[in-house]
Amino acid sequence: ELKVEQNPLFLSMQEGKNYTIYCNYSTTSDRLYWYRQDPGKSLESLFVLLSNGAVKQEGRLMASLDTKARLSTLHITAAVHDLSATYFCAVDWGNGGATNKLIFGTGTLLAVQP
Amino acid sequence: KAGVTQTPRYLIKTRGQQVTLSCSPISGHRSVSWYQQTPGQGLQFLFEYFSETQRNKGNFPGRFSGRQFSNSRSEMNVSTLELGDSALYLCASSLGSYNSPLHFGNGTRLTVT
Repeated sequence: ELKVEQNPLFLSMQEGKNYTIYCNYSTTSDRLYWYRQDPGKSLESLFVLLSNGAVKQEGRLMASLDTKARLSTLHITAAVHDLSATYFCAVDWGNGGATNKLIFGTGTLLAVQP
Repeated sequence: KAGVTQTPRYLIKTRGQQVTLSCSPISGHRSVSWYQQTPGQGLQFLFEYFSETQRNKGNFPGRFSGRQFSNSRSEMNVSTLELGDSALYLCASSLGSYNSPLHFGNGTRLTVT
């Protein structure tokens, strides 16, 4: 059974600081997503990572994937208040295909303090 | 381009009743999947449809069912509602290709009393 673990569950950061959210998964998969969710809102797609060594960056967020270690990271650079949200990683259940059956991590609640 | 549309946004039902939720995917998207979000269990996969066929199913009881129409719109039905079915139900659509992300709707908040 595929399990996805995120840590930390809660992250309080000061503006301007850097930090990393970790996402570990238990079985082989070759498609990993990062999503953002604001309170009361839906999920916003941030990154789709498809291969070992994949790195994607958008603004202050950078995501990477190590399929051998079954680990993805979401790195936040020089945090700003607007980044406050809950961040989820999700792994596609299928191996070698797109099943759209995603197993989500528990989420990381990020609070950026001025 | 319109996003994923879910109706209704809010529902209040009584135990034992049944409910139908609707999802209209982004135009051109043929894959529609459904997820349940609760504070205790997080986000859990319910099922996925592609071209009117159910391709994958999660670990939910048979009270949860769905279908997809020829225009890719999808409905989800929950029969004999239980208190534990109270949740945010999210629908997501995608093109169905390997590198296409899932785009989520705003969800339907179901409360069972």
